[in-house]
Amino acid sequence: AQTVTQSQPEMSVQEAETVTLSCTYDTSENNYYLFWYKQPPSRQMILVIRQEAYKQQNATENRFSVNFQKAAKSFSLKISDSQLGDTAMYFCAFGIYNQGGKLIFGQGTELSVKP
Amino acid sequence: ETGVTQTPRHLVMGMTNKKSLKCEQHLGHNAMYWYKQSAKKPLELMFVYSLEERVENNSVPSRFSPECPNSSHLFLHLHTLQPEDSALYLCASSQAYSNEQFFGPGTRLTVL
Repeated sequence: AQTVTQSQPEMSVQEAETVTLSCTYDTSENNYYLFWYKQPPSRQMILVIRQEAYKQQNATENRFSVNFQKAAKSFSLKISDSQLGDTAMYFCAFGIYNQGGKLIFGQGTELSVKP
Repeated sequence: ETGVTQTPRHLVMGMTNKKSLKCEQHLGHNAMYWYKQSAKKPLELMFVYSLEERVENNSVPSRFSPECPNSSHLFLHLHTLQPEDSALYLCASSQAYSNEQFFGPGTRLTVL
């Protein structure tokens, strides 16, 4: 069975600084995807970034980047130049390639960006 | 309307009531999902419909009954719920066999 663990229930960062959210997962599969989702206080969950396990290059989306360590089963999210609008719950999620879209989520990390 | 919409956004019901949650996606997807989100817990996948067939049912109590009349609409029928069923219920959609899901805003359900 697959599991996803986010060991930081809460984090805070000053505006304009950089913060890293951690995520580890456990699987015996070789072909899978990893995602970071953001859920602001308004509750609409949106996709931040995705990583295919077969790709060695870390995904980046503007201020968001990941550090994907496949051997260590680690998938951290780095947010650079943090903005007040980044305040949200962040969920790490795992999905097996071609397995009907099923996602397994971590417990979430509540990030507060302080002015 | 764009994306994934859910109605109602808030619902308060007694344990003897019957109500339904509605989800509609405008993204041309053919798979839809119901999740339960409780405080301090990971999202729990409840049901998956892919190509209008139910393909996942994660040991959800029978007081929750899903319905997917077509690829754009998904319902969750509720009856004789318990207070511990109070949670945020999220709907999502994707292309079948794709892991990239798009979420609705959720329905905040309170069972008295």
